Formats: sequence, C-alpha cells, structure tokens
Amino acid sequence: QVQLVESGGGVVQPGRSLRLSCAASGFTFSSYGMHWVRQAPGKGLEWVAVVSYAGDNKDYADSVKGRFTISRDNSKSTLYLQMNSLRTEDTATYYCAKDRSTSGNYWLDPWGQGTLVTVSS
Amino acid sequence: DIVLTQSPDSLAVSLGERATIDCKSSQIILYSPNNKNSLAWYQQKPGQPPKLLIYWASTRESGVPDRFSGGGSGTGFTLTISNLQAEDAAVYYCQQYYSSPRTFGQGTKLEIK
Repeated sequence: QVQLVESGGGVVQPGRSLRLSCAASGFTFSSYGMHWVRQAPGKGLEWVAVVSYAGDNKDYADSVKGRFTISRDNSKSTLYLQMNSLRTEDTATYYCAKDRSTSGNYWLDPWGQGTLVTVSS
Repeated sequence: DIVLTQSPDSLAVSLGERATIDCKSSQIILYSPNNKNSLAWYQQKPGQPPKLLIYWASTRESGVPDRFSGGGSGTGFTLTISNLQAEDAAVYYCQQYYSSPRTFGQGTKLEIK
C-alpha cells in the first residue's frame, strides 16, 4: 500500500535551517506530483509547496517563497523540503502528500503522518 | 488567492442524524475541460493526518462510506454526512485545487451528541 514517511523535524532556533524528507513507497513515485502542507499547533491546514513528477515545476505559498525549497530524488523515491531562515511562525507539523496527477494540480491523497518542526530560541 | 470560507466553525449533531458543512469560494473553481468543480473534502481526526473523502466536489473516494456526499456548484459547496456515527467526530476541511496557491477552508469541527 502507499506509504509516506516524513522525517527531519525537530527544534531549531530562528534564522537557522532544517531539511525535511519524505520517503515514499507502494507506488511509482516518479509519476506523481508531491506536496508539503503544514499545520500549526491547534490550527488549520496551510499548503506550502508542490513539485511536479519530474521535479521541473515547483510552486510555493507566499509565506515561504524565497526561504523554502521543495525538491525530489526519484531514484530514491524521496521528497525534500529545505527550510532556511526559519521563523517562529513556521512552527508546525509538516505533512507530505501525494497528488493524484503528474503535475501536482489535483487533490492530495494520501498524506504522511507528519513531522513536527518547532522554531524557538 | 482563492479564499474558502467554511460554515459553521463547529457543530454538534446527534447520532443517526445528518450534518451539513458549507464551503464558500471567493471565485468560481470550475475546471472547464471536464466541467467539474476543483474542490476536495478531507476529514482529520485528532493526532492523524487528513484523509481524502471527496474530490471534484461530489466524487466519493473509494472506500469512503456512502453516508458522505458532496455537492454544490458555482461558489457554494456542501459536505453532507448522513446517519452520523460516533467515528465521524473530526475536523473537516474543504480545499480548492483550481489555482495556486491551493487553499483550504479554516475547518469545521464536528462533535457527536
């Protein structure tokens, strides 16, 4: 079955960097767009970024544009989120999610269990 | 950006009754190639990731009980849960995938009386 497992979360100081990973299995990773979505503690869902199946098309929420970079390694079936210049408002559980399309323009299913990022001094 | 506004923010409904959650879009989200609305519904239970329920506004995902139904058109959409069960207690989100940035509604918390 499809499985998405995030890792790399933790506590980091403001201004520092962190890289999240999402290991995928159970499907042909290289055929689907992939997303990162975050959820601040006790809050709703916020879409963060998407990458197309080949990694050549990417898009970001304005709140992270210029600071975060989404990428993928299809040979390793792994999705990444490089987060630089972290702010306290980036504190959230970060989910990776598979898109139903190659381009990343459809709905998200399934989602990983998430990894918690806490930005605090 | 397309803003999705859900109502109500929370509701409590008795077992066996029907719950209705609305999602209003600030723009039309009709995908012309297939004449379907680019809207999905998700269910999130405490400590769990969101789970897809509905896509194209009214197409139920495989394995989702037929008690869950989606509808609407234009800028107004609805998630209806019939014959409420205890396990339906959760937060429900709508999401548009018509344009970037993809946006979610603020969520509706459903409690079972």
